[in-house]
Amino acid sequence: GNSVTQMEGPVTLSEEAFLTINCTYTATGYPSLFWYVQYPGEGLQLLLKATKADDKGSNKGFEATYRKETTSFHLEKGSVQVSDSAVYFCALSEVKDSNYQLIWGAGTKLIIKP
Amino acid sequence: NAGVMQNPRHLVRRRGQEARLRCSPMKGHSHVYWYRQLPEEGLKFMVYLQKENIIDESGMPKERFSAEFPKEGPSILRIQQVVRGDSAAYFCASSPTRWGGEETQYFGPGTRLLVL
Repeated sequence: GNSVTQMEGPVTLSEEAFLTINCTYTATGYPSLFWYVQYPGEGLQLLLKATKADDKGSNKGFEATYRKETTSFHLEKGSVQVSDSAVYFCALSEVKDSNYQLIWGAGTKLIIKP
Repeated sequence: NAGVMQNPRHLVRRRGQEARLRCSPMKGHSHVYWYRQLPEEGLKFMVYLQKENIIDESGMPKERFSAEFPKEGPSILRIQQVVRGDSAAYFCASSPTRWGGEETQYFGPGTRLLVL
């Protein structure tokens, strides 16, 4: 079946550092890809998405490009802030018996130190 | 504009008791999805409901778990005779229409269930 693999956390960086959180996937067909973020004590929020190969999703300074050749959707940000501390989830959409489902990675906890 | 509400936020049960988790979708949303997150794992889809209908329950354990979304009131995820392995975070999400694989799902803050 389809699956998503994320780099293990926690990832600890200093403020203004460059961020990369790796995400790779296995899938049949052409899924849409998502990054969700969960801030402490809150629900998951959609951060960005890409629906086809070579699309770039971007939001709040974060970017991720849908790379079909490497089956990857790595999350990047040029200069992180303390407020970016959260858990980041990579996910893909899958069709199962005519119903769409989200398949999730395990999440990567990001800690930004001032 | 209230988001997806879940309650309780934390629930402690002893083995053999029942757990009831509630989810109120965003206003205007009639599609609800339940997910479970076991410790150190990603979210796993459990069930998709529309008002008064279960659309996809392919991720639900066959025993002890049930879900409903009545015409009035919140969606309920019910776990009977809880066991320690049910300890997890349970998330609810909603959408205004049937999710087509690309749109946003809107998530609640989750219910953390601890079974003693």
